[in-house]
Amino acid sequence: EIQLQESGPGLVKPSQSLSLTCSVTGYTITSGYDWSWIRKFPGNKMEWMGYISNSGSTNYNPSLKIRISISRDPSKNQFFLQLNSITTEDTATYYCASGSFDYWGQGVMVTVSS
Amino acid sequence: DIQMTQSPSSLPASLGERVTISCRASQGISSNLNWYQQKPDGTIKPLIYYTSNLQSDVPSRFSGSGSGTDYSLTISGLEPEDFAMYYCQQDASFPWTFGGGTKLELK
Repeated sequence: EIQLQESGPGLVKPSQSLSLTCSVTGYTITSGYDWSWIRKFPGNKMEWMGYISNSGSTNYNPSLKIRISISRDPSKNQFFLQLNSITTEDTATYYCASGSFDYWGQGVMVTVSS
Repeated sequence: DIQMTQSPSSLPASLGERVTISCRASQGISSNLNWYQQKPDGTIKPLIYYTSNLQSDVPSRFSGSGSGTDYSLTISGLEPEDFAMYYCQQDASFPWTFGGGTKLELK
């Protein structure tokens, strides 16, 4: 069974960059699927942020395009989120998910505060 | 972007009741509509894909229907574990977008 686990800092200062890792077990990320980052804001709004495909190409939500980067390390079977120029509006629970969102990590809560 | 409007935002219901959650897209999405359940601990579980197809291990009391711009999720015979948040999501076109969520609460 595919399992995903997010990791990263729970607190980030405004204007800094947010970096999160998604570790995947039970499937090799280069074998297939797209690998997404999704976030849920306080107040329940959810936003798909972007994905990296099994071939390494990326597709980003235009609302984030100038701030977001998704990359991967196939040797560790991990993919990563980097979000630049963080503001308090980026406070959210961040999830990684596989394919057509068939499998999800448990989420990591990130607070942006000075 | 395709806007997804869910209703109601809050739904009080009783055990054993049949409930329906609606999701309307701002333009036709050709059945490319999925449903998810989020538990209070934050865990997200996929329920239905492509309008009406149950994910594996999802109980048959869940069903989905719809076409064009209007879709719905029905739960027939609410169980205690069904009280949670529910989201619709379209993957007809980028960026993929979610509805605002429906909180199913015990009456």
